[in-house]
Amino acid sequence: DSGVTQTPKHLITATGQRVTLRCSPRSGDLSVYWYQQSLDQGLQFLIQYYNGEERAKGNILERFSAQQFPDLHSELNLSSLELGDSALYFCASSGEVEGAYGYTFGSGTRLTVV
Amino acid sequence: SQKIEQNSEALNIQEGKTATLTCNYTNYSPAYLQWYRQDPGRGPVFLLLIRENEKEKRKERLKVTFDTTLKQSLFHITASQPADSATYLCALPDTGRRALTFGSGTRLQVQP
Repeated sequence: DSGVTQTPKHLITATGQRVTLRCSPRSGDLSVYWYQQSLDQGLQFLIQYYNGEERAKGNILERFSAQQFPDLHSELNLSSLELGDSALYFCASSGEVEGAYGYTFGSGTRLTVV
Repeated sequence: SQKIEQNSEALNIQEGKTATLTCNYTNYSPAYLQWYRQDPGRGPVFLLLIRENEKEKRKERLKVTFDTTLKQSLFHITASQPADSATYLCALPDTGRRALTFGSGTRLQVQP
């Protein structure tokens, strides 16, 4: 157990639907990062939050959004889902703003869009 | 943005040998570089960090080198074991985004 908790572990949904992925960072970590991993693309950075505020944005689609709550857990919302959104979605956390000492990843949410 | 190249072909070696994986990057030289291990269907696990002013870093059977002139890091696993079989990712901070950019990883297979 890495200390980063992601739920649900698996999600199957239809095209056009909306889903919410949840992440609880390791205790004491203020930074949360979201990554998407598909078979042909490797780990793609989506977005970072630090202590409740958006800090960095990657190649996140407009259909996707995220937020970090006062208790530091984060949610990634994916809407108008397409088949190509099927992937593993990872959340990671770090103790300081730049993650220079390494990220701790959760076990991921496997999203299948049918 | 930073571009990272790792050998996409799997590396197959015999148990007991030393595995050497390569990470090359373009553009600016980062302040540090990290290596992660990822098992199928699992999240990456942080292994080692090496800073730009460090030529070499060791941790048990792992050794990482960092050559900022060549823009290259080498990751070595000595006395490899079948349990070392996994995909190994290198990662660098992207100054523009202030988050880590990951390479696509190299899959290591250690044969008993």
